[in-house]
Amino acid sequence: QSVLIQPPSASGTPGQRVTISCSGGSSNIGSNYVDWYQQLPGTAPKFLMYRNNQRPSGVPDRFSGSKSGTSASLAISGLRSEDEADYYCAAWDDSLRRWVFGGGTKVTVL
Amino acid sequence: QVQLQESGPGLVKPSQTLSLTCSVSGGSISSGGNYWSWIRQHPGKGLEWIGHIYYSGSTYYSPSLKSRVTISIDTSKTQFSLKLTSVTAADTAVYYCARGGTKQQPFDHWGQGTLVTVSS
Repeated sequence: QSVLIQPPSASGTPGQRVTISCSGGSSNIGSNYVDWYQQLPGTAPKFLMYRNNQRPSGVPDRFSGSKSGTSASLAISGLRSEDEADYYCAAWDDSLRRWVFGGGTKVTVL
Repeated sequence: QVQLQESGPGLVKPSQTLSLTCSVSGGSISSGGNYWSWIRQHPGKGLEWIGHIYYSGSTYYSPSLKSRVTISIDTSKTQFSLKLTSVTAADTAVYYCARGGTKQQPFDHWGQGTLVTVSS
């Protein structure tokens, strides 16, 4: 059972907007930044979003992040086939004193 | 562009010690402010952070693994290493090394990962 809760799956057709939620608590999302990672099939996770809504260089602006209270979300607009991947949220947990991750959301492009 | 590459045995016997090395290229492992982490992913599961090390040798381990983990660094070889003692089948996972691991520094560069299976 992951500390951060994500829906196991999400899907959309090409061009649509998909949103992935990440729910936590006061000791993690509620008091620290949220980061997001994209894991394409058979590859290592890739740095996708940091400090809730900041995109590293090279990440398309189709990806956006937000945070409110103890929840965060990642949105993918203009969905493309290459966006099919697992997406993980992460945050430092002040009570557990370690990084915690969501269980991952598999995005399927229909 | 910083690149990381894990290396080490793919098979470890139960109760033995898992040892992996991460080689860093394209950047200095001693650059101020950079932390270096180990993260693992059990088959078909999510990610679990193991711990991090600073170039000075200062370490911090996940409390859940602290009793069995040692992370060390060799700046002359631009490598850092992981040792996990008394392994069981539950330690079978893909192990990743990554740059980052503090509140201020997310995991911005990752190795490709290496599968370690614990089996007799």
